[in-house]
Amino acid sequence: DIQMTQSPSSLSASVGDRVTITCRASQSVSTYLNWYQQKPGEAPKVLIYGASTLQDGVPSRFSGSGSGTDFTLTIANLQPEDCATYYCQQNLRTPRTFGPGTKVDF
Amino acid sequence: EVQLVESGGGLVQPGGSLRLSCAASGVTFSSSFMHWVRQAPGKGLMWVARINSAGTTATYAESVKGRFTVSRDNAKNTLYLQMNSLGVEDTAVYYCTTEAPYTLHFDNWGQGALVTVSS
Repeated sequence: DIQMTQSPSSLSASVGDRVTITCRASQSVSTYLNWYQQKPGEAPKVLIYGASTLQDGVPSRFSGSGSGTDFTLTIANLQPEDCATYYCQQNLRTPRTFGPGTKVDF
Repeated sequence: EVQLVESGGGLVQPGGSLRLSCAASGVTFSSSFMHWVRQAPGKGLMWVARINSAGTTATYAESVKGRFTVSRDNAKNTLYLQMNSLGVEDTAVYYCTTEAPYTLHFDNWGQGALVTVSS
């Protein structure tokens, strides 16, 4: 199985900050990497797929980059509604493993 | 608008069985690969199972293989997860998701169904 790790596991930021979350795969997943956002009590929703493609309707302050084993999710100009847990996921191989999550709060 | 609505969750004793359903609307269900993902209380996301659009091929996480069965009824636009020999470690919210064609990400999620395994 492909193992996914994320760092940091949590972070505290301020409105307007630029936040970067890192995801690493145990082997290359090319650009088969997605990012999901989950707010408390809600289902996850996709933010970015294919490592860097923004899902329709997602604010442009979210961006993704990387390929192979190392990926980043960047939130520019952090907003209060961005308080959530962020998960990366690889979809190169089954099982479709998720990272452990990064909790972003203020 | 795509809607996925899970049902069938509840409290079950260890060793018991439960069947979850996921009713889909606003999506071409018969063309969609579908997945189940679960989340234990306070924990992260874990992929559980996948079924192809025709319902002929299913894949499972090792931890549920042999105990869980995913199936679908394309005439009813409904996905199922039959869960047998449940253990306390299966306690979680179970989400059904659609898989986007080509890009393979999980583009739509249900609201989740809580399964609690406890004596």
